[in-house]
Amino acid sequence: DTGVSQDPRHKITKRGQNVTFRCDPISEHNRLYWYRQTLGQGPEFLTYFQNEAQLEKSRLLSDRFSAERPKGSFSTLEIQRTEQGDSAMYLCASSLGNFGSNTYEQYFGPGTRLTVT
Amino acid sequence: GEDVEQSLFLSVREGDSSVINCTYTDSSSTYLYWYKQEPGAGLQLLTYIFSNMDMKQDQRLTVLLNKKDKHLSLRIADTQTGDSAIYFCARGGGSYIPTFGRGTSLIVHP
Repeated sequence: DTGVSQDPRHKITKRGQNVTFRCDPISEHNRLYWYRQTLGQGPEFLTYFQNEAQLEKSRLLSDRFSAERPKGSFSTLEIQRTEQGDSAMYLCASSLGNFGSNTYEQYFGPGTRLTVT
Repeated sequence: GEDVEQSLFLSVREGDSSVINCTYTDSSSTYLYWYKQEPGAGLQLLTYIFSNMDMKQDQRLTVLLNKKDKHLSLRIADTQTGDSAIYFCARGGGSYIPTFGRGTSLIVHP
């Protein structure tokens, strides 16, 4: 399968615990995006990487959230001291970042559903 | 109001055409997307249109853009039960990061 993959697909955690999600983008894609989606809403942008550089972060990305893409391939999203309001689907997407070439075509993974109890 | 607005539900009979509407507020939007999300899955890009176009057709899908009214629509011809899903309208500007609407849930009755 050459699509975007995310792991785990589901995570249940207790409030106050830390969680980490992983995203593996399509191999030739140099841009990687994280979104959060709550029930009845569209995805909300969190952050994105061009290769290993984190180029933009949303105001939604509080200090408890950190994302990395150390080698410009897979990425991790960590949430520290989880709160019930963090319960959501966390979506990863990737795209080609070459100027003028398909940059707008983002391919999404299946998401990680986080439940904080 | 919301940056991108869509009606929440649409119900059609199998074989009919579906029209999903979307309005947006930012006139600087340079491209507009339609995504499909099936239950428990991520989003699938269906089609997109640049702001200098007013129509795009791709098999059963027709996108119409009225830039003056900031109105976008997606028409699905010969709607099938497999088209039942949530359809998201999104607009994009710099950084190629789309802003999504809340989604329209399309229900197709046999």
